[in-house]
Amino acid sequence: DAKTTQPPSMDCAEGRAANLPCNHSTISGNEYVYWYRQIHSQGPQYIIHGLKNNETNEMASLIITEDRKSSTLILPHATLRDTAVYYCIVRRHGGKLIFGQGTELSVKP
Amino acid sequence: DVKVTQSSRYLVKRTGEKVFLECVQDMDHENMFWYRQDPGLGLRLIYFSYDVKMKEKGDIPEGYSVSREKKERFSLILESASTNQTSMYLCASSPRQVEEKLFFGSGTQLSVL
Repeated sequence: DAKTTQPPSMDCAEGRAANLPCNHSTISGNEYVYWYRQIHSQGPQYIIHGLKNNETNEMASLIITEDRKSSTLILPHATLRDTAVYYCIVRRHGGKLIFGQGTELSVKP
Repeated sequence: DVKVTQSSRYLVKRTGEKVFLECVQDMDHENMFWYRQDPGLGLRLIYFSYDVKMKEKGDIPEGYSVSREKKERFSLILESASTNQTSMYLCASSPRQVEEKLFFGSGTQLSVL
C-alpha cells in the first residue's frame, strides 16, 4: 500500500473550514483514500473515502487531485468537537487499513 | 445507535497472568479486528476474523490468540501477559460488503505490572 504524508499538527478557528492535506504520491490505480479521526480517549471513527472523484457526506468533503497524488479533507465549519487526530490511509481493495501518525487538529474558539 | 462494546475500560494485570479482553458488536457485522495502539507507533493490527470460528494473523500476533465462537463476540487472549503488552487495545467490526468501514470500540487500557 502507498505511503501517506500528513502534517503532524494544525490549528483551525471555530466556525472556519478546516482543510487537512495528505500526500500519497506513490498511490496506484486501484488504491482508495480513506480518512478516519480519533477523538481523545475514543476509538477511531470512519469519516469518508474515495477513489478518483470528490466525495461529500454529512461529516466532510474529500477532494482528490486529478493525478491522485494528494488529497484534502475539508470540515466545512469546524467546531471544538472536531479537535482530534485525523488519519489519511491509502488502501487497495481487500488490503488492510494501516494507521500512521496522522494530523492533530486543534480547533480553537 | 450502533455499538462496539469492550468489556473493560481499564485493566491492571500481573506478569504471567492469562488475560481475556472481550468485544461485542450489535451490528451483525461479519468482520472483527483487534488492534493495539502505542505512542509513536500508531495502531497495529493483531488479529482479525471474517467469520465465526475463523481467524487470521495481523502484523503483530506474537503473544496473543483470539476466539470467535459467536458472530457478535471476538475475544483477545494474552496467554501469559508481559510488561511489553501494556497498551491500549481497540476492537473494531465492519460489514462484509464494506470491509474498510470500521466501527471501533472505546478501547481497553491494559497495564501489565
